[in-house]
Amino acid sequence: GAVVSQHPSRVICKSGTSVKIECRSLDFQATTMFWYRQFPKKSLMLMATSNEGSKATYEQGVEKDKFLINHASLTLSTLTVTSAHPEDSSFYICSAGERGTYNEQFFGPGTRLTVL
Amino acid sequence: AQSVTQPDIHITVSEGASLELRCNYSYGATPYLFWYVQSPGQGLQLLLKYFSGDTLVQGIKGFEAEFKRSQSSFNLRKPSVHWSDAAEYFCAVGLIKTSYDKVIFGPGTSLSVIP
Repeated sequence: GAVVSQHPSRVICKSGTSVKIECRSLDFQATTMFWYRQFPKKSLMLMATSNEGSKATYEQGVEKDKFLINHASLTLSTLTVTSAHPEDSSFYICSAGERGTYNEQFFGPGTRLTVL
Repeated sequence: AQSVTQPDIHITVSEGASLELRCNYSYGATPYLFWYVQSPGQGLQLLLKYFSGDTLVQGIKGFEAEFKRSQSSFNLRKPSVHWSDAAEYFCAVGLIKTSYDKVIFGPGTSLSVIP
């Protein structure tokens, strides 16, 4: 099956710094990538949808200047949490949609962000 | 508005017992339907999906789910649960069939298995 990787798997940073999380589709071309946030014991909350070569579409309530998304190629999307604060600590998960398989998403293993 | 509900927040079953996890959705048309499983420290894994056709779909790990249009439900079942099935289960609904659009996740059901 299609494989999606995320890097790093865990990151701890100081408040005020920026953190970049990478999401890669390893064996397929991902026309669309999605970024989710998952709070402890909670479901996945869609943050934004990114299409290769165009601007990301953010969900209501998600600060686009805080969570910068770049989808520069068909295999790579990045999420940058700018000026991170403790309330940004969470589990961030990306998923990728394979060209031709409508609506099926393949998920990365997630990135645990802790902001001190 | 579209929504997905999973009425059971937490379920505990004995190993070897049967399992049914409930999922209901609210959507004006027939959606794409998915069940995902998330084990501790793991990413989400697709168990099965329904796009069209036979309303009883078979998935991996011995799971199956049945789409019932009249009840707007897509319940997940397994005849005999294994201890390794303990995990978080998410029902999800894909809203648009012709292009990528939102996939809405239910709140999840946490499954515990008693040896």
